[in-house]
Amino acid sequence: GAVVSQHPSRVICKSGTSVKIECRSLDFQATTMFWYRQFPKQSLMLMATSNEGSKATYEQGVEKDKFLINHASLTLSTLTVTSAHPEDSSFYICSARGRGATEAFFGQGTRLTVV
Amino acid sequence: AQSVTQLGSHVSVSEGALVLLRCNYSSSVPPYLFWYVQYPNQGLQLLLKYTSAATLVKGINGFEAEFKKSETSFHLTKPSAHMSDAAEYFCAVSVRDMGRRALTFGSGTRLQVQP
Repeated sequence: GAVVSQHPSRVICKSGTSVKIECRSLDFQATTMFWYRQFPKQSLMLMATSNEGSKATYEQGVEKDKFLINHASLTLSTLTVTSAHPEDSSFYICSARGRGATEAFFGQGTRLTVV
Repeated sequence: AQSVTQLGSHVSVSEGALVLLRCNYSSSVPPYLFWYVQYPNQGLQLLLKYTSAATLVKGINGFEAEFKKSETSFHLTKPSAHMSDAAEYFCAVSVRDMGRRALTFGSGTRLQVQP
């Protein structure tokens, strides 16, 4: 299957700083990318959907000014957690789907710890 | 709208025993259905998917699932469990005309395999 690379896999940051997470589709053009958040022992909760070249669509309850999503190219989307707080600590996972595809491929996830 | 219910947050089997993970879905339109596996601190790996072809779908690692419209089910099975099957399993649903829609995930089932 296609490969989605997410970086970094693990990051620790201080409260009040910003963190950027990258999601790249390595061998296909990702017309749509999805960002999920996963709390311990829970399922994946969709945060936002981004389409190349347009603004992301955020799910209800997700602060768009706090979780900035950019999908500037067909192979790269970024999630920036701004002014991070300890409650933002979580596992963030991206997935990417090509045009007309039935399957989305997932990145390896990023474990964010805010101290 | 679509939803997925996974019965049993934890399932424990003995090595060599049958694995059965249950998934029921709700969808107002014909669905696409997926099973993913997640190992600790990693992203999701697709095990198998149903996209309206054969109702019995074979996936990787010896897993298979059967789409039963009358029961709105898509249970995951494996004839003989292996220690390496211990992981978290997620059932997910989407609509056929996926467009830019994300998957809707179930709450997950943690599979333990006892020696």
